[in-house]
Amino acid sequence: KNEVEQSPQNLTAQEGEFITINCSYSVGISALHWLQQHPGGGIVSLFMLSSGKKKHGRLIATINIQEKHSSLHITASHPRDSAVYICAVWIWVAGNKLTFGGGTRVLVKP
Amino acid sequence: EPEVTQTPSHQVTQMGQEVILRCVPISNHLYFYWYRQILGQKVEFLVSFYNNEISEKSEIFDDQFSVERPDGSNFTLKIRSTKLEDSAMYFCASSERDSTTDTQYFGPGTRLTVL
Repeated sequence: KNEVEQSPQNLTAQEGEFITINCSYSVGISALHWLQQHPGGGIVSLFMLSSGKKKHGRLIATINIQEKHSSLHITASHPRDSAVYICAVWIWVAGNKLTFGGGTRVLVKP
Repeated sequence: EPEVTQTPSHQVTQMGQEVILRCVPISNHLYFYWYRQILGQKVEFLVSFYNNEISEKSEIFDDQFSVERPDGSNFTLKIRSTKLEDSAMYFCASSERDSTTDTQYFGPGTRLTVL
Protein backbone atom coordinates (compact mmCIF):
# COMPACT_ATOMS: atom_id res chain seq x y z
CA LYS A 1 0.00 0.00 0.00
CA ASN A 2 1.47 3.33 -1.09
CA GLU A 3 1.04 5.92 1.60
CA VAL A 4 2.28 8.69 -0.68
CA GLU A 5 1.12 8.89 -4.28
CA GLN A 6 2.33 11.35 -6.85
CA SER A 7 0.86 12.26 -10.20
CA PRO A 8 1.71 12.35 -12.94
CA GLN A 9 4.64 9.94 -12.99
CA ASN A 10 6.06 11.68 -16.05
CA LEU A 11 5.45 15.12 -17.45
CA THR A 12 6.76 16.82 -20.57
CA ALA A 13 6.29 20.55 -21.01
CA GLN A 14 7.41 23.24 -23.39
CA GLU A 15 9.59 25.99 -22.02
CA GLY A 16 7.43 28.69 -20.45
CA GLU A 17 4.53 26.44 -19.57
CA PHE A 18 2.97 26.23 -16.12
CA ILE A 19 3.56 22.86 -14.48
CA THR A 20 1.62 21.26 -11.63
CA ILE A 21 2.69 18.13 -9.76
CA ASN A 22 0.35 16.53 -7.25
CA CYS A 23 0.96 14.57 -4.08
CA SER A 24 -1.69 12.73 -2.09
CA TYR A 25 -1.15 10.89 1.16
CA SER A 26 -3.37 8.58 3.11
CA VAL A 27 -2.26 9.12 6.70
CA GLY A 28 -1.84 11.89 9.24
CA ILE A 29 1.37 13.79 8.80
CA SER A 30 3.51 16.27 10.69
CA ALA A 31 5.00 17.93 7.64
CA LEU A 32 5.52 17.50 3.92
CA HIS A 33 8.68 18.05 1.92
CA TRP A 34 9.11 18.71 -1.76
CA LEU A 35 12.48 17.60 -3.07
CA GLN A 36 14.22 17.89 -6.41
CA GLN A 37 16.47 15.10 -7.64
CA HIS A 38 18.85 16.12 -10.38
CA PRO A 39 19.74 13.81 -13.27
CA GLY A 40 23.06 13.10 -11.54
CA GLY A 41 21.19 11.81 -8.49
CA GLY A 42 21.69 14.64 -5.99
CA ILE A 43 18.69 15.66 -3.89
CA VAL A 44 17.82 19.22 -2.97
CA SER A 45 15.10 20.20 -0.54
CA LEU A 46 12.75 22.75 -2.10
CA PHE A 47 10.08 23.25 0.53
CA MET A 48 9.00 21.99 3.91
CA LEU A 49 5.42 22.83 4.77
CA SER A 50 2.74 21.83 7.23
CA SER A 51 0.02 24.27 6.18
CA GLY A 52 -0.87 26.87 3.58
CA LYS A 53 1.45 27.92 0.80
CA LYS A 54 5.09 28.73 0.23
CA LYS A 55 6.78 30.45 -2.70
CA HIS A 56 10.40 30.53 -3.75
CA GLY A 57 11.21 32.09 -7.07
CA ARG A 58 9.18 30.36 -9.75
CA LEU A 59 8.17 27.52 -7.43
CA ILE A 60 5.00 27.46 -5.37
CA ALA A 61 3.98 24.70 -2.98
CA THR A 62 0.57 24.35 -1.40
CA ILE A 63 -0.87 21.90 1.06
CA ASN A 64 -4.42 21.09 2.13
CA ILE A 65 -4.22 19.11 5.35
CA GLN A 66 -7.93 18.24 5.40
CA GLU A 67 -7.81 16.82 1.89
CA LYS A 68 -4.37 15.22 2.44
CA HIS A 69 -3.07 16.78 -0.74
CA SER A 70 -0.20 18.98 -1.81
CA SER A 71 0.77 20.52 -5.12
CA LEU A 72 4.01 21.86 -6.48
CA HIS A 73 3.72 24.45 -9.24
CA ILE A 74 6.46 25.63 -11.53
CA THR A 75 5.70 28.88 -13.30
CA ALA A 76 7.42 29.87 -16.55
CA SER A 77 9.17 26.48 -16.73
CA HIS A 78 12.70 26.28 -18.08
CA PRO A 79 14.79 23.36 -19.36
CA ARG A 80 16.90 23.58 -16.19
CA ASP A 81 13.77 22.62 -14.22
CA SER A 82 14.05 19.15 -15.77
CA ALA A 83 14.44 16.79 -12.83
CA VAL A 84 12.54 14.32 -10.69
CA TYR A 85 10.35 16.02 -8.09
CA ILE A 86 9.68 14.01 -4.98
CA CYS A 87 7.08 14.47 -2.28
CA ALA A 88 7.97 13.11 1.17
CA VAL A 89 5.96 13.18 4.37
CA TRP A 90 6.56 12.75 8.07
CA ILE A 91 3.97 10.21 9.19
CA TRP A 92 3.48 10.98 12.86
CA VAL A 93 1.68 7.79 13.80
CA ALA A 94 4.36 5.53 12.32
CA GLY A 95 7.29 6.61 14.44
CA ASN A 96 7.88 9.86 12.67
CA LYS A 97 9.94 8.72 9.71
CA LEU A 98 10.13 10.32 6.30
CA THR A 99 8.12 8.40 3.67
CA PHE A 100 8.72 9.19 0.02
CA GLY A 101 6.54 9.24 -3.04
CA GLY A 102 7.71 7.68 -6.25
CA GLY A 103 8.58 10.97 -7.86
CA THR A 104 7.45 12.85 -10.94
CA ARG A 105 9.91 13.01 -13.79
CA VAL A 106 9.67 16.42 -15.45
CA LEU A 107 11.18 17.22 -18.82
CA VAL A 108 11.00 20.78 -20.06
CA LYS A 109 11.78 21.13 -23.74
CA PRO A 110 13.23 24.36 -25.17
CA GLU B 1 26.87 27.87 1.57
CA PRO B 2 27.48 24.94 3.94
CA GLU B 3 26.82 21.54 2.48
CA VAL B 4 26.68 17.89 3.43
CA THR B 5 29.51 15.88 1.93
CA GLN B 6 29.78 12.14 1.38
CA THR B 7 32.66 9.85 0.58
CA PRO B 8 33.30 7.89 -1.47
CA SER B 9 31.12 8.90 -4.40
CA HIS B 10 31.20 5.31 -5.69
CA GLN B 11 32.10 2.15 -3.83
CA VAL B 12 32.40 -1.26 -5.42
CA THR B 13 32.64 -4.26 -3.13
CA GLN B 14 32.33 -8.01 -3.15
CA MET B 15 29.33 -9.71 -1.56
CA GLY B 16 30.00 -10.47 2.08
CA GLN B 17 32.46 -7.65 2.56
CA GLU B 18 32.02 -4.84 5.05
CA VAL B 19 31.63 -1.29 3.80
CA ILE B 20 31.64 2.02 5.59
CA LEU B 21 30.00 5.00 3.98
CA ARG B 22 31.03 8.37 5.32
CA CYS B 23 29.19 11.63 5.67
CA VAL B 24 30.13 15.02 7.04
CA PRO B 25 26.93 16.83 8.03
CA ILE B 26 26.62 20.59 8.24
CA SER B 27 28.52 21.65 11.32
CA ASN B 28 25.75 23.12 13.50
CA HIS B 29 23.22 20.43 12.63
CA LEU B 30 22.05 18.04 15.30
CA TYR B 31 19.88 15.54 13.44
CA PHE B 32 21.31 13.07 10.97
CA TYR B 33 19.74 10.63 8.55
CA TRP B 34 20.58 7.88 6.10
CA TYR B 35 18.44 7.00 3.11
CA ARG B 36 18.88 4.64 0.24
CA GLN B 37 17.55 4.54 -3.31
CA ILE B 38 17.73 1.35 -5.29
CA LEU B 39 18.06 2.12 -9.00
CA GLY B 40 14.68 3.06 -10.45
CA GLN B 41 12.90 2.92 -7.09
CA LYS B 42 11.75 5.31 -4.39
CA VAL B 43 14.01 6.84 -1.82
CA GLU B 44 13.69 4.87 1.44
CA PHE B 45 14.35 5.96 4.99
CA LEU B 46 16.95 3.90 6.82
CA VAL B 47 17.73 5.59 10.12
CA SER B 48 17.73 8.85 12.03
CA PHE B 49 20.26 9.79 14.68
CA TYR B 50 20.22 12.41 17.38
CA ASN B 51 22.20 12.99 20.54
CA ASN B 52 24.51 10.10 19.76
CA GLU B 53 21.82 7.51 19.45
CA ILE B 54 19.40 6.12 16.92
CA SER B 55 16.05 7.85 17.24
CA GLU B 56 14.22 5.98 14.50
CA LYS B 57 14.99 3.12 12.14
CA SER B 58 13.14 1.34 9.36
CA GLU B 59 12.62 -2.37 8.87
CA ILE B 60 15.39 -2.24 6.27
CA PHE B 61 17.90 -1.24 8.96
CA ASP B 62 18.56 -4.70 10.35
CA ASP B 63 21.50 -6.07 12.33
CA GLN B 64 23.75 -5.81 9.30
CA PHE B 65 23.57 -2.03 9.49
CA SER B 66 25.01 0.30 12.07
CA VAL B 67 25.61 4.02 12.36
CA GLU B 68 28.13 5.98 14.30
CA ARG B 69 29.27 9.51 14.90
CA PRO B 70 32.86 8.70 15.81
CA ASP B 71 34.41 12.12 16.18
CA GLY B 72 31.80 14.88 16.27
CA SER B 73 32.03 15.66 12.57
CA ASN B 74 31.70 12.40 10.66
CA PHE B 75 28.55 10.29 10.51
CA THR B 76 29.04 6.80 9.17
CA LEU B 77 26.88 3.97 7.91
CA LYS B 78 28.39 0.50 8.15
CA ILE B 79 27.08 -2.54 6.36
CA ARG B 80 28.72 -5.58 7.93
CA SER B 81 28.25 -8.23 5.27
CA THR B 82 27.02 -6.77 2.02
CA LYS B 83 24.44 -8.51 -0.11
CA LEU B 84 23.70 -8.01 -3.80
CA GLU B 85 20.46 -6.27 -2.84
CA ASP B 86 22.37 -3.63 -0.89
CA SER B 87 23.43 -2.12 -4.22
CA ALA B 88 21.89 1.34 -4.19
CA MET B 89 22.58 5.03 -3.83
CA TYR B 90 22.95 5.97 -0.18
CA PHE B 91 22.16 9.51 0.86
CA CYS B 92 23.10 11.17 4.10
CA ALA B 93 21.11 14.19 5.30
CA SER B 94 21.19 16.53 8.24
CA SER B 95 19.01 19.18 9.80
CA GLU B 96 19.52 21.77 12.47
CA ARG B 97 16.32 20.86 14.24
CA ASP B 98 13.83 18.03 14.11
CA SER B 99 12.86 17.62 10.46
CA THR B 100 9.18 17.84 11.20
CA THR B 101 9.89 21.54 11.57
CA ASP B 102 13.09 22.04 9.61
CA THR B 103 14.59 21.48 6.18
CA GLN B 104 16.84 18.51 5.59
CA TYR B 105 20.03 19.01 3.61
CA PHE B 106 21.12 16.06 1.53
CA GLY B 107 24.57 14.96 0.54
CA PRO B 108 25.40 14.03 -3.05
CA GLY B 109 25.14 10.33 -2.32
CA THR B 110 27.40 7.29 -2.44
CA ARG B 111 26.67 4.74 -5.13
CA LEU B 112 27.30 1.28 -3.66
CA THR B 113 27.73 -1.60 -6.08
CA VAL B 114 27.89 -5.09 -4.60
CA LEU B 115 29.24 -7.76 -6.94
